[in-house]
Amino acid sequence: GAVVSQHPSWVICKSGTSVKIECRSLDFQATTMFWYRQFPKQSLMLMATSNEGSKATYEQGVEKDKFLINHASLTLSTLTVTSAHPEDSSFYICSALGTAYNEQFFGPGTRLTVL
Amino acid sequence: AQTVTQSQPEMSVQEAETVTLSCTYDTSESDYYLFWYKQPPSRQMILVIRQEAYKQQNATENRFSVNFQKAAKSFSLKISDSQLGDAAMYFCAYRTTGNQFYFGTGTSLTVIP
Repeated sequence: GAVVSQHPSWVICKSGTSVKIECRSLDFQATTMFWYRQFPKQSLMLMATSNEGSKATYEQGVEKDKFLINHASLTLSTLTVTSAHPEDSSFYICSALGTAYNEQFFGPGTRLTVL
Repeated sequence: AQTVTQSQPEMSVQEAETVTLSCTYDTSESDYYLFWYKQPPSRQMILVIRQEAYKQQNATENRFSVNFQKAAKSFSLKISDSQLGDAAMYFCAYRTTGNQFYFGTGTSLTVIP
């Protein structure tokens, strides 16, 4: 199956700093990538959908200036949490949808802890 | 908007027995995809099985099978011969023709040795 990587797998940062999370499709081209947030023992909450070369579409209630998403190529999307605060601490998961597939492939997730 | 409902927050099954996880959804579309994902403690989301709405035949993947009732908008997952490694959170998901995915709230499955 197709492989999606995420980096870093975990990160701890100080309040007020910015953190960038990378999502890569390793063996296929991803026309669309999704970013999710998951709180403990809860479901995945879609934050935004990004298509290569265009602006991301954010879900209602997600601050686009705080969660910057860039999908610069068909294999890479990045999520930058700007001016992070403790309430941004969460598990962030990306997924990728390729043109040849009817399913999305998930990255292993990134655990963000903001002190 | 589409909604996906999993009415069983927790389920348990004896090893080697069969368990069924329920999922219902609401949609006005006629063409869509349905999925069951497994999330073990590692939190890596793993596709278990998928079903295309236009197919009447229920999907099957080894010990996993679905009961897809399109008119009732029901999509249950049956796990046969349960194994300890099946213990995980299971999420039902719906994909629209516009590539939007909606997830249920999940069912935590415990397998009892």
